[in-house]
Amino acid sequence: KAGVTQTPRYLIKTRGQQVTLSCSPISGHRSVSWYQQTPGQGLQFLFEYFSETQRNKGNFPGRFSGRQFSNSRSEMNVSTLELGDSALYLCASSSGQGWLSSGANVLTFGAGSRLTVL
Amino acid sequence: GIQVEQSPPDLILQEGANSTLRCNFSDSVNNLQWFHQNPWGQLINLFYIPSGTKQNGRLSATTVATERYSLLYISSSQTTDSGVYFCAVEPDFGNEKLTFGTGTRLTIIP
Repeated sequence: KAGVTQTPRYLIKTRGQQVTLSCSPISGHRSVSWYQQTPGQGLQFLFEYFSETQRNKGNFPGRFSGRQFSNSRSEMNVSTLELGDSALYLCASSSGQGWLSSGANVLTFGAGSRLTVL
Repeated sequence: GIQVEQSPPDLILQEGANSTLRCNFSDSVNNLQWFHQNPWGQLINLFYIPSGTKQNGRLSATTVATERYSLLYISSSQTTDSGVYFCAVEPDFGNEKLTFGTGTRLTIIP
């Protein structure tokens, strides 16, 4: 069973540009969550999508957005990049149906997309 | 929101030693997971353990939900155990998603 795939793995942008990151979840998983990891703030929740709907959102400005497609693949976009957006962006998938079985809440993470903003 | 504290922040051990990592959380939770992040940034799920005890090879974990803490035990450490260990929790109430602790950086010396 293929794992969670994130692309691109590394990218460099300049301030003011925008970036789109992609995440393909494990086959059959309908929930995709995004996290930002920085040395200063640690791992912070960005948003979660389930069946193409944003189910939850963390405390990030509107420059951070995302979407999920009918095949459960997800993209996140950051517009008007700032130096502080440099981070490892991690995507995780789960079946998302925690009300059916507790094990459905287990997250499987991708390898991440490392963004550097110059 | 829920607070998650991990201790110790750093741990350096000789290969073969045992270790105990602790995770304290401030509210009741319905989801607690332990992760290992390797030097390349990959987060690997070790345990899903909102309560009780589980074992997987040299690793085991115990969560005492009523006292709001969880412990991760690593026995007979190997150099491949090096990395950062995170505890992540989701509170019983409210709309918060999985909140991560600040991690314990484990370094195993050959």
